[in-house]
Amino acid sequence: KQEVTQIPAALSVPEGENLVLNCSFTDSAIYNLQWFRQDPGKGLTSLLLIQSSQREQTSGRLNASLDKSSGRSTLYIAASQPGDSATYLCAVTQTGANNLFFGTGTRLTVIP
Amino acid sequence: DADVTQTPRNRITKTGKRIMLECSQTKGHDRMYWYRQDPGLGLQLIYYSFDVKDINKGEISDGYSVSRQAQAKFSLSLESAIPNQTALYFCATPISMNTEAFFGQGTRLTVV
Repeated sequence: KQEVTQIPAALSVPEGENLVLNCSFTDSAIYNLQWFRQDPGKGLTSLLLIQSSQREQTSGRLNASLDKSSGRSTLYIAASQPGDSATYLCAVTQTGANNLFFGTGTRLTVIP
Repeated sequence: DADVTQTPRNRITKTGKRIMLECSQTKGHDRMYWYRQDPGLGLQLIYYSFDVKDINKGEISDGYSVSRQAQAKFSLSLESAIPNQTALYFCATPISMNTEAFFGQGTRLTVV
């Protein structure tokens, strides 16, 4: 069964700092990987979708990379802001499965 | 209007009661999904549907049932609620090879 791990579970940084969130998965047979943002008690908002054939995707201050062969993805957030404080989840769509396999998330706090 | 709408947003119910959570989507996708989220466990798949006549069990379907009334509507029922079904429930559409997934805002269910 696909297992998705996110480290660290929680991270606090001062405003303005660049940061990297990590995601690893055990089975490299994936269609795509997505990064989501979740605010407390709220739904999930898709941030970036990387297809298995791609190496990275960028949206504004966010850049996500994918190394499928090693089972790793990173989410880079540039010039962090207090509004970036949230839980960030990564999830993979596995080949032949009909499901998103989620990590347990990294809770990010950006301190003003 | 939100792409995926869940009702109710919050619900407290008693053990043994039947409860239905509703989901509707405006994206026109065939695939719809129900997940539950528990602290520290990530999101787990309960049921999914590829079209009106197609229902499939996910990882944790015991104690739950679903109904796909139309392409746009997918309901989750707890036939006899128990306290360990207290969780945050999410509806999503679609999970596919090529497109991002859209999630509803979630239903926070408490069974007392």
